[in-house]
Amino acid sequence: DQQVKQNSPSLSVQEGRISILNCDYTNSMFDYFLWYKKYPAEGPTFLISISSIKDKNEDGRFTVFLNKSAKHLSLHIVPSQPGDSAVYFCAASAQGYSGAGSYQLTFGKGTKLSVIP
Amino acid sequence: EADIYQTPRYLVIGTGKKITLECSQTMGHDKMYWYQQDPGMELHLIHYSYGVNSTEKGDLSSESTVSRIRTEHFPLTLESARPSHTSQYLCASSGNRGLGSPLHFGNGTRLTVT
Repeated sequence: DQQVKQNSPSLSVQEGRISILNCDYTNSMFDYFLWYKKYPAEGPTFLISISSIKDKNEDGRFTVFLNKSAKHLSLHIVPSQPGDSAVYFCAASAQGYSGAGSYQLTFGKGTKLSVIP
Repeated sequence: EADIYQTPRYLVIGTGKKITLECSQTMGHDKMYWYQQDPGMELHLIHYSYGVNSTEKGDLSSESTVSRIRTEHFPLTLESARPSHTSQYLCASSGNRGLGSPLHFGNGTRLTVT
């Protein structure tokens, strides 16, 4: 049972426009969400995160929105640049709950973003 | 620049061989992890460690084993490789700031078992 879902395997966007990547989750215990970016032949790199006590977090061109009632989050990239072309993974954890599993991340399958010059 | 190093980057090996995938980090992180990823699929946690001499299995069953004798080193071993072990293996570490400690990943080892 997939607890973190990224239903769009790929997305193409023109350079300069907004990219919106979506993520849905089913586990109501999740209280911390992260986005990672992955280039081919490299490991994922941390991009931005949000705690469940917030509904928005912004870092430069990247903004993450969280809708807890809908169990949905999205990553907005504006303006999109060709260097943003990568696979983006949504991840979640239940860090508010103590125990050995509190730092584990559950990942989605990723969305491949292509920014066209 | 990566502060967590994995070797080898690519490995092609025959069935039945014993292999060890190396992972080292220079950040002094207590927590280290091994994830497995097949193409187009999510990353699955197979092992984690919260410190020296502490290892636990993750949510994806794996025939591999790990050890944590030193803080900076978290090798993964397969005693007898099989084609079903073909995958990408990603090592990660995280600091001790709780919610403020995202995972730092190495560049992975792509393993092919023939």
